[in-house]
Amino acid sequence: QKEVEQNSGPLSVPEGAIASLNCTYSDRGSQSFFWYRQYSGKSPELIMSIYSNGDKEDGRFTAQLNKASQYVSLLIRDSQPSDSATYLCAVTPGNQFYFGTGTSLTVIP
Amino acid sequence: EPEVTQTPSHQVTQMGQEVILRCVPISNHLYFYWYRQILGQKVEFLVSFYNNEISEKSEIFDDQFSVERPDGSNFTLKIRSTKLEDSAMYFCASSEGTDTDTQYFGPGTRLTVL
Repeated sequence: QKEVEQNSGPLSVPEGAIASLNCTYSDRGSQSFFWYRQYSGKSPELIMSIYSNGDKEDGRFTAQLNKASQYVSLLIRDSQPSDSATYLCAVTPGNQFYFGTGTSLTVIP
Repeated sequence: EPEVTQTPSHQVTQMGQEVILRCVPISNHLYFYWYRQILGQKVEFLVSFYNNEISEKSEIFDDQFSVERPDGSNFTLKIRSTKLEDSAMYFCASSEGTDTDTQYFGPGTRLTVL
């Protein structure tokens, strides 16, 4: 059974703070890792992908991957109210994505 | 910017009826997928499609479901004899070159089975 675990939250941070989202996965054969954002009633929207150990930065977002610990995280700097959404971690060994249940983030103005 | 499109946005059907959900993947993408998301639950993989055949399917994707690429642009999901528990959002996705590439999701079709 390939599991992707996320803290469901809700996670609340004040505007301008750093939000930290975490994800663990069970399949050591996983090759690619993604963070998607999903607003209520909408489809998943890609934020970042990461394929190798370490950090990857894109604007206010930083993804971190540690394959040995089977752990991937997303940091959101200078959080904005528009960042309020559910953040989905997705992991793939190839072909299909396995999604976590998502972490609900609320950024308080 | 190219995007995945899906029709209809909302489909209401009676239990036992057949429905066809339609998707137009991004034009240069080679891999196509269907996922579903029951309200309040996680996104679940149904099936992947490559080179005009199913490459992988989940245990959810039983004989009630079928997929087809009837022409060069459309990708369809057929659900025969719908059940109440089929009510969900159905997302189509596509990816470009390999099966570990980023998958881009369509806006979804909300299926309501009465």
